[in-house]
Amino acid sequence: AQSVTQLDSQVPVFEEAPVELRCNYSSSVSVYLFWYVQYPNQGLQLLLKYLSGSTLVKGINGFEAEFNKSQTSFHLRKPSVHISDTAEYFCAVKRITSYDKVIFGPGTSLSVIP
Amino acid sequence: DAGVIQSPRHEVTEMGQEVTLRCKPISGHDYLFWYRQTMMRGLELLIYFNNNVPIDDSGMPEDRFSAKMPNASFSTLKIQPSEPRDSAVYFCASSEGQGRGRTYEQYFGPGTRLTVT
Repeated sequence: AQSVTQLDSQVPVFEEAPVELRCNYSSSVSVYLFWYVQYPNQGLQLLLKYLSGSTLVKGINGFEAEFNKSQTSFHLRKPSVHISDTAEYFCAVKRITSYDKVIFGPGTSLSVIP
Repeated sequence: DAGVIQSPRHEVTEMGQEVTLRCKPISGHDYLFWYRQTMMRGLELLIYFNNNVPIDDSGMPEDRFSAKMPNASFSTLKIQPSEPRDSAVYFCASSEGQGRGRTYEQYFGPGTRLTVT
């Protein structure tokens, strides 16, 4: 079975500072990896995904993530955050060979401080 | 496309009452998922369908919960009888079917906030 760990439940950061949200996963088979964002009172939306190819993936709103197979990590980064980035961020994995059951992590709450 | 549509957006009901949540997936999507989100348990997958057929309902908490998908454009999640511990935000999501070039992205609806008193 797969599992996802997000090491930080809450991350406060000042506006225009860089941020890294950490994600580690466990799986005995190859997986696809995702980051979703949830703004207050909304559903989740996809930020970026890793399916294959380059391990550095760029997404919307200036976010990027790097897949590290040896460390089973998929950390999310942004060089300069804005107030509008305040939201809940979810890392997720899906087995390549399975039906579309996606396993979501517990989420990291990013608070951008003016 | 209007995206995934859920109704109602908010539901307040008394313990013991029947609750029905509704979802219209994005046209052409073959997969439909029901999730529940709470502070204590986070985001939980309850059940998902492929081509209107339930594939995995292992996340349905108990027999009080049931879900149906009578056609490709409509699904319901029913709780009968409802209990205060069912209070949560319930999300519906849909995804493309199998095939080359698919992105595996799940598109979420805005959610239904259920409060059982």
